[in-house]
Amino acid sequence: GESVGLHLPTLSVQEGDNSIINCAYSNSASDYFIWYKQESGKGPQFIIDIRSNMDKRQGQRVTVLLNKTVKHLSLQIAATQPGDSAVYFCAENMGSGGSNYKLTFGKGTLLTVNP
Amino acid sequence: GAGVSQSPSNKVTEKGKDVELRCDPISGHTALYWYRQSLGQGLEFLIYFQGNSAPDKSGLPSDRFSAERTGGSVSTLTIQRTQQEDSAVYLCASSFQGSSEKLFFGSGTQLSVL
Repeated sequence: GESVGLHLPTLSVQEGDNSIINCAYSNSASDYFIWYKQESGKGPQFIIDIRSNMDKRQGQRVTVLLNKTVKHLSLQIAATQPGDSAVYFCAENMGSGGSNYKLTFGKGTLLTVNP
Repeated sequence: GAGVSQSPSNKVTEKGKDVELRCDPISGHTALYWYRQSLGQGLEFLIYFQGNSAPDKSGLPSDRFSAERTGGSVSTLTIQRTQQEDSAVYLCASSFQGSSEKLFFGSGTQLSVL
């Protein structure tokens, strides 16, 4: 029978290439954003975060870019490795205002790294 | 333990049965969260505990769902009269202070309702 797909956006890259994963967020009042990585059978793992008073933040091999004008967030992974294969989620919250503990997650992007 | 621990890792139950899912957060973390992840979907907020404050239950999908946290540590999520649409991965997370910054997630409980 037909298998049920995950219906996730997918990105397939070659090992060593750079990857860019995009996310559109919904709430213009959100002022804190996080990227999580979820490997198969595991819970999400924190990668990097950014506050709305910044437009770029760099970590180890990862960079997050924030464009508040168009409510767009991206995660760049440099020199992608097979171990980077996972589902990547962006999440937003309203920071110091409102329910600042309540994250809203995107549906995720499946990254596959080909050796 | 070093991380958030959830049990069981897998649970298969029959429609109409009750289930209990357990979460043991990181020691010293005052905030505890439950999220639900359906196949191919993002995470859906269920409930939040912070210290001795009243929990935020606004994400619980129906009155069949309830959760408690005893002694500010271990939490149990209970689903009564399970339905097939309850099938999902139930994820628990904890954080040091509860501002959603750097949540540490467990590996989840895969619930299958037949």
